[in-house]
Amino acid sequence: GAVVSQHPSRVICKSGTSVKIECRSLDFQATTMFWYRQFPKKSLMLMATSNEGSKATYEQGVEKDKFLINHASLTLSTLTVTSAHPEDSSFYICSAPTGETQYFGPGTRLLVL
Amino acid sequence: GESVGLHLPTLSVQEGDNSIINCAYSNSASDYFIWYKQESGKGPQFIIDIRSNMDKRQGQRVTVLLNKTVKHLSLQIAATQPGDSAVYFCAETNYGGSQGNLIFGKGTKLSVKP
Repeated sequence: GAVVSQHPSRVICKSGTSVKIECRSLDFQATTMFWYRQFPKKSLMLMATSNEGSKATYEQGVEKDKFLINHASLTLSTLTVTSAHPEDSSFYICSAPTGETQYFGPGTRLLVL
Repeated sequence: GESVGLHLPTLSVQEGDNSIINCAYSNSASDYFIWYKQESGKGPQFIIDIRSNMDKRQGQRVTVLLNKTVKHLSLQIAATQPGDSAVYFCAETNYGGSQGNLIFGKGTKLSVKP
């Protein structure tokens, strides 16, 4: 199947700092990518849809100024958690569609101290 | 057996037995469904998909069944192996495939006993 990568895989930061997470489609182009958040023992919850060349679409309850999304190219989307707080600690996962299927990255574990 | 509580539903099976994981989806307009496998600390891994114009699809050791009448999806794993231990999620979309966002089910944790 297609390969989606994320970087970093794990990040620890201090409260109040910003963290950028990258999502790359390695062997295909994606005009759309999706960002999900997952809490322990819970399912994935869609945060936003990243659109190449236009603004991201955010799900209800997700603060766009808090979670900045930039779809810089057809193979790269970034999620920046601004002014991170401990409650932002979570597992962030991106996905990119190709063909009929969406493929997921390996996830980024964020811990805010 | 299967248990539901405060945490993910868990299905425990003996190695070599067949596993059946069930999922009730929410949107009768959904036309594309995917099963994902998620191991601890990793992203979901595609297993098998099915379109709404089908009621069964088979892969290697896996079969997905779709019952649109009762909005039910199941994943059957033949000859379950320890490496199959993971959390399994069903996902649905009504955008006909990959361009729409997926709605995930709650997940089922599969534990395989050697």
